[in-house]
Amino acid sequence: DGGITQSPKYLFRKEGQNVTLSCEQNLNHDAMYWYRQDPGQGLRLIYYSQIVNDFQKGDIAEGYSVSREKKESFPLTVTSAQKNPTAFYLCASSIRLAGGEVFFGPGTRLTVL
Amino acid sequence: GIQVEQSPPDLILQEGANSTLRCNFSDSVNNLQWFHQNPWGQLINLFYIPSGTKQNGRLSATTVATERYSLLYISSSQTTDSGVYFCAVVSTSSASKIIFGSGTRLSIRP
Repeated sequence: DGGITQSPKYLFRKEGQNVTLSCEQNLNHDAMYWYRQDPGQGLRLIYYSQIVNDFQKGDIAEGYSVSREKKESFPLTVTSAQKNPTAFYLCASSIRLAGGEVFFGPGTRLTVL
Repeated sequence: GIQVEQSPPDLILQEGANSTLRCNFSDSVNNLQWFHQNPWGQLINLFYIPSGTKQNGRLSATTVATERYSLLYISSSQTTDSGVYFCAVVSTSSASKIIFGSGTRLSIRP
């Protein structure tokens, strides 16, 4: 079954701690994306990657970092520099950058205590 | 950059009713998708429709690219249709970003 998996589903973090959210896809897609969603709001782009070992900042990259060492994986680290990290984080992929149909993972809800 | 506006922002209907959701965009696009976000947050693909008309069961969508809008039709609404519907586009002038509208929140009452 092809798709995108994100883990964990729920994550609790103390202030000042870094945390890494996992995103894996087996769709053989080149492009991957991270979005943030706040309650009652739309989706905002954090980072995107066109291909392995390449990634670009989106609209709200401050306080976040990513890596793309493998085609299948695009982990997102929420650092202590992110002032308001509590949110719903969604990972997505498409066959090429902003091309073709985009598919989303089930998301990770991050709560900072 | 491209602006994406969805209307109405909120819609409350009785089960069995029909509805039309609209997505307007300010620039030409080469990619447009409709998503349904269910109460658990999962974004479900409804239509990939940069132009033309598609139908899938009770749902159909039409994109008129030359007039810069897309419509999503839901017929015979069911309570499971409740959630938020998002339109997302890729502008031809900024082909690296997928821009989302702010969504239409649909509530279907039994």
